[in-house]
Amino acid sequence: DAGVIQSPRHEVTEMGQEVTLRCKPISGHDYLFWYRQTMMRGLELLIYFNNNVPIDDSGMPEDRFSAKMPNASFSTLKIQPSEPRDSAVYFCASSPGQREKLFFGSGTQLSVL
Amino acid sequence: EDQVTQSPEALRLQEGESSSLNCSYTVSGLRGLFWYRQDPGKGPEFLFTLYSAGEEKEKERLKATLTKKESFLHITAPKPEDSATYLCAVQGIFGSARQLTFGSGTQLTVLP
Repeated sequence: DAGVIQSPRHEVTEMGQEVTLRCKPISGHDYLFWYRQTMMRGLELLIYFNNNVPIDDSGMPEDRFSAKMPNASFSTLKIQPSEPRDSAVYFCASSPGQREKLFFGSGTQLSVL
Repeated sequence: EDQVTQSPEALRLQEGESSSLNCSYTVSGLRGLFWYRQDPGKGPEFLFTLYSAGEEKEKERLKATLTKKESFLHITAPKPEDSATYLCAVQGIFGSARQLTFGSGTQLTVLP
């Protein structure tokens, strides 16, 4: 298995632009998570899905952030409009069950200028 | 609110010099405590899950232990390839079932 696949690996954009991050979870995993990692705040859960349905989006910082999971093999995290404070590494992770360990992707390094 | 504090923030060891990393936590009810390893430019990689006080788990040179207030990650005779950031996370029984609260990590450097 190729593991959790994220794209792009790096994204540099200007303030105000729309950014879309993509994730392909491990096949058969029912849970998908989006995390953000910064030096100041560490790893923070933004949102998670169970069987393609968003369960908890309380970590989404504001309305500029949205996430979708149209099918079991694909999810997106969109930021519109982007701001410099959104600069961080965004991780996608998947899990086969409620108490199971998380499998993380390699992350997307986002820089908003 | 669940809280996780890891210490030290950074640790430098000579190859073969054993030590321990600490993870102190506050949670209303513990569902599980997780240890992850993170290499630069990569996502965290799962190491262990501990569910109850007194539980211990081992993997190669690593051993994780759990009490009601903290967890330790013991590293015996470390090698340079053990250099990484080690993250601790707790999952509480209240709130969102899959919510993990992560600590800020301990950056371990093992010198040859």
